[in-house]
Order: sequence, then structure tokens, then C-alpha cells
Amino acid sequence: DGGITQSPKYLFRKEGQNVTLSCEQNLNHDAMYWYRQDPGQGLRLIYYSQIVNDFQKGDIAEGYSVSREKKESFPLTVTSAQKNPTAFYLCASRRFQATNEKLFFGSGTQLSVL
Amino acid sequence: GNSVTQMEGPVTLSEEAFLTINCTYTATGYPSLFWYVQYPGEGLQLLLKATKADDKGSNKGFEATYRKETTSFHLEKGSVQVSDSAVYFCALSLMNRDDKIIFGKGTRLHILP
Repeated sequence: DGGITQSPKYLFRKEGQNVTLSCEQNLNHDAMYWYRQDPGQGLRLIYYSQIVNDFQKGDIAEGYSVSREKKESFPLTVTSAQKNPTAFYLCASRRFQATNEKLFFGSGTQLSVL
Repeated sequence: GNSVTQMEGPVTLSEEAFLTINCTYTATGYPSLFWYVQYPGEGLQLLLKATKADDKGSNKGFEATYRKETTSFHLEKGSVQVSDSAVYFCALSLMNRDDKIIFGKGTRLHILP
């Protein structure tokens, strides 16, 4: 079945450490997105990519980095510069500029600080 | 700018009660409107959508009508069940260069047996 896979489900970060969250999709979607979810805050956009080798900052990009070397993959790195990384991270995808179509979401990664 | 405002939760209802979750939007242009649902520890799933004015989206007993005159897309269900307990997000999508999707903050719904 087609879908989006996020891994790991739970991740722990030590102070000063960079960690990478994986997001893979086999839906042949061009556009991919990373959201951060905090209790009571809803979804906030971190980065998005509309095409391979190109990506744009969202509303809260500071302390995060991404790459888009393959259409299927859009990994998110939470760097040591992100001082409050504890949150639930969601990856999503859809066809390029398919504004009438839904987003497909992964099942999320819960990141916590040790 | 473009935005979505939905009623704050949590909303607590008894089983079989009538549900309304309000959603209003601000958009330059003609957005598509969506309701997503999130169960604990999971990603979001599409519940229903409407792509033009006066369209009604429906699924699993939930309904929402795209009201351009009031810029609203309120979610309703006639008789809720315990299994409807979740967080509900209203969202809009616009055809523009950025290709962003704008989400409301979410409304947590608790249904008591």
C-alpha cells in the first residue's frame, strides 16, 4: 500500500546533539512538508519542498535543516541550535499544487530531550 | 494574510449529543477547505473536504458546508459516539506560489459514555 513512513516513533536527544527524523513516501508526490505540533499550538510549518533539490523555510525553520535529494525522502535534522525541540513532528505529502487534494500524513515522531 | 480560526477546546459532550465545531477563514482567492481528525499518537487523516462555495463535504456522519458569504466551514454531527473523541483541525489550501496549507489550532473533543 502507498503511504508515508516516519521513523523512529520515539526519539531522545541529548543536549548539544543533532538528531535526524526520517520521512519516506511511495506515493510519487512532489510536495513534502514538515510540521511541528505542540499541545494547544496546532500545527506549525517548519520546512516544505515542492521539488527535488529545492526546499523553502516555513514559519519556524530556525534550528532545523532539511534535504531533498530524492523524491521519496525528506529527512529533518533537529540541530543543537533548537533549544526547545520537545514536540511531536509530522511529515506530510501531496501532488504538486494539488490544492483540491488532501495531505497524506505519516504517523509522527515524538522527540524528547534527555 | 491567510488564516484559519477554530473554536478552542476542549469540547466535552455526552454520547448521542449534537456536535458543532466552528471554523472561519480569511483567504485571498478561493481556497479549498478541509477537516482533518487526529487520534492519540497518530498523524492526521482527512475527514471531509469542500472545494467550492456551497459544496457540502460529508463522511462518517460528519458534515460541513463551504459558506463563502460568512467565510465559514463549521463541522457538525447529529449524534456523536465515544469513538469520535479526537482532535479536529480545520484547514485551507490555496493555489499560489507558496503551496502552503494553513491549519487552525485544533479542537479537542471528549465524548462521555
